[in-house]
Amino acid sequence: GQSLEQPSEVTAVEGAIVQINCTYQTSGFYGLSWYQQHDGGAPTFLSYNALDGLEETGRFSSFLSRSDSYGYLLLQELQMKDSASYFCACRTGGFKTIFGAGTRLFVKA
Amino acid sequence: DGGITQSPKYLFRKEGQNVTLSCEQNLNHDAMYWYRQDPGQGLRLIYYSQIVNDFQKGDIAEGYSVSREKKESFPLTVTSAQKNPTAFYLCASKFAATGTDTQYFGPGTRLTVL
Repeated sequence: GQSLEQPSEVTAVEGAIVQINCTYQTSGFYGLSWYQQHDGGAPTFLSYNALDGLEETGRFSSFLSRSDSYGYLLLQELQMKDSASYFCACRTGGFKTIFGAGTRLFVKA
Repeated sequence: DGGITQSPKYLFRKEGQNVTLSCEQNLNHDAMYWYRQDPGQGLRLIYYSQIVNDFQKGDIAEGYSVSREKKESFPLTVTSAQKNPTAFYLCASKFAATGTDTQYFGPGTRLTVL
């Protein structure tokens, strides 16, 4: 079957750096996305990697290694507002995307 | 303002009743999606549509039906055949021809079946 694995929870201190890992097993692969979701809200797009390497967008970076079926989201200079759930998602072919179960990030003062 | 709207935000229904959730977008996106999210869990794909008058089943389509008669609209019907319909339902859309997989989500509808 197809699956994405990510840690269920991560806790970090304000101002620190945190990395959220995602490993995937899919029948097809076009790219890996990351979404942020605050409690009760809708997911919002953060980044997308189709090729190996690092993509940087402000405090957030995302990395992909297709050979290892692995990616991560890196959040720098953590702020309290970064406390949310983070989902990795694979575009498996055409228009279909599957999501991981999400990682709940707790940022402490 | 461009965006995706879902209505209503909260919906209550009695067991055995069909209910239709609305999703409208004015982003001129080609593809539209319906996801289900249960507490503390990820998003599971119900149905998706690449183009008007065409749609495909996702991973959990049983007990649901959709239509795509207009590019802007992709309503989801939760039928009485869905055994556990209480959940948070999210609609999303995106451009078809793109080098990314950026999906834009609506605010969601929280359905409670009593």
